Amino acid sequence: GQNIDQPTEMTATEGAIVQINCTYQTSGFNGLFWYQQHAGEAPTFLSYNVLDGLEEKGRFSSFLSRSKGYSYLLLKELQMKDSASYLCAVMDSNYQLIWGAGTKLIIKP
Amino acid sequence: GAVVSQHPSWVICKSGTSVKIECRSLDFQATTMFWYRQFPKQSLMLMATSNEGSKATYEQGVEKDKFLINHASLTLSTLTVTSAHPEDSSFYICSAKKTSGRGGPQETQYFGPGTRLLVL
Repeated sequence: GQNIDQPTEMTATEGAIVQINCTYQTSGFNGLFWYQQHAGEAPTFLSYNVLDGLEEKGRFSSFLSRSKGYSYLLLKELQMKDSASYLCAVMDSNYQLIWGAGTKLIIKP
Repeated sequence: GAVVSQHPSWVICKSGTSVKIECRSLDFQATTMFWYRQFPKQSLMLMATSNEGSKATYEQGVEKDKFLINHASLTLSTLTVTSAHPEDSSFYICSAKKTSGRGGPQETQYFGPGTRLLVL
């Protein structure tokens, strides 16, 4: 079967750095997406990785290792507004998006 | 940009009535749109995938006669919840993407703001 694993919840301190991991087992691979979802709102697109390596976008970076079936989202200089759920999703060989359950990130002052 | 709108954002209705939710891609043509449902503190659940001009593909366990989907144009898809009951109360979210089955960042799904449905 197809599976995406990410931690259920993480806590970090304002100003710090946090890394949210995602591991996957899917039928083929056509890219990995990270989305941010604030409570009560719809998801918003953060990043897309299809090749191995690190993609940096301001305070957020996303890393991919296809051989390990592994990705992480790195958030630097955490702000209170970064408190949200972070969803990892993988596109399989049929271009179907397989969603992880999301990681709830709690930022403390 | 890639902006998706949904209307209405909130709807309260009586049990047994039907509710229509619209999803529009405002600045791009969406070959494929998706409808999700999310219950409080739970994951996104894909309900159905719709391609313009063809019938929607429903996920297992989703009643196609209850959740009617119409993707009449490249910028509009509608979800109609027929004979709504309190257990249908949920957060319904649509998403749209520009291409289908070619891979790459064009496969990114862009989400509408969601519609909260409360059935009394």
